[in-house]
Amino acid sequence: SQQGEEDPQALSIQEGENATMNCSYKTSINNLQWYRQNSGRGLVHLILIRSNEREKHSGRLRVTLDTSKKSSSLLITASRAADTASYFCATDKDSGGSNYKLTFGKGTLLTVNP
Amino acid sequence: SAVISQKPSRDICQRGTSLTIQCQVDSQVTMMFWYRQQPGQSLTLIATANQGSEATYESGFVIDKFPISRPNLTFSTLTVSNMSPEDSSIYLCSGIVQGSYGYTFGSGTRLTVV
Repeated sequence: SQQGEEDPQALSIQEGENATMNCSYKTSINNLQWYRQNSGRGLVHLILIRSNEREKHSGRLRVTLDTSKKSSSLLITASRAADTASYFCATDKDSGGSNYKLTFGKGTLLTVNP
Repeated sequence: SAVISQKPSRDICQRGTSLTIQCQVDSQVTMMFWYRQQPGQSLTLIATANQGSEATYESGFVIDKFPISRPNLTFSTLTVSNMSPEDSSIYLCSGIVQGSYGYTFGSGTRLTVV
């Protein structure tokens, strides 16, 4: 079963607006990552947040993590048309040892209209 | 950052035939993985490619259908055998590069079986 569930499934906004995507997961994790995918191509790693971190920033990206609620959010500020893509969260389960297998959520399709 | 070259980028194949997908990394990766992404869906892990030994397959995937090779730390192949239209998907390889955060992905192979 999917570990991560994103919402919304699709989001359409105007250029310059902020976009917020959410992700929920089911088991304890070591870290949570966000990826971007353009038109069915390869995934690009955006940001990683560890289970002991609550917030992280990278450029126009802000990620939060709430382990008590098993949820994360990705905020893209001042969106651009070039941000149009699918965004996935991915988690690796905390199985007490090294577990590098990622489980991906269903993704949010973000469309930024010029 | 590391680059994974994946080929072919796309192919249209006849049912009953096989296709081998290659991934070449420009630096050493500690672990490599193969994913399948069906149209409009998220990524599902097929297997972990182990250097010099048999791959570790996830539930629902078997070696006879998806044989994987990884002869060294920078190269891996996935073969989709005896293809049917249900195998039409995007196939992606990924790896963990030593010293980097997140996973690096190949650009994907879009497979259509007719």
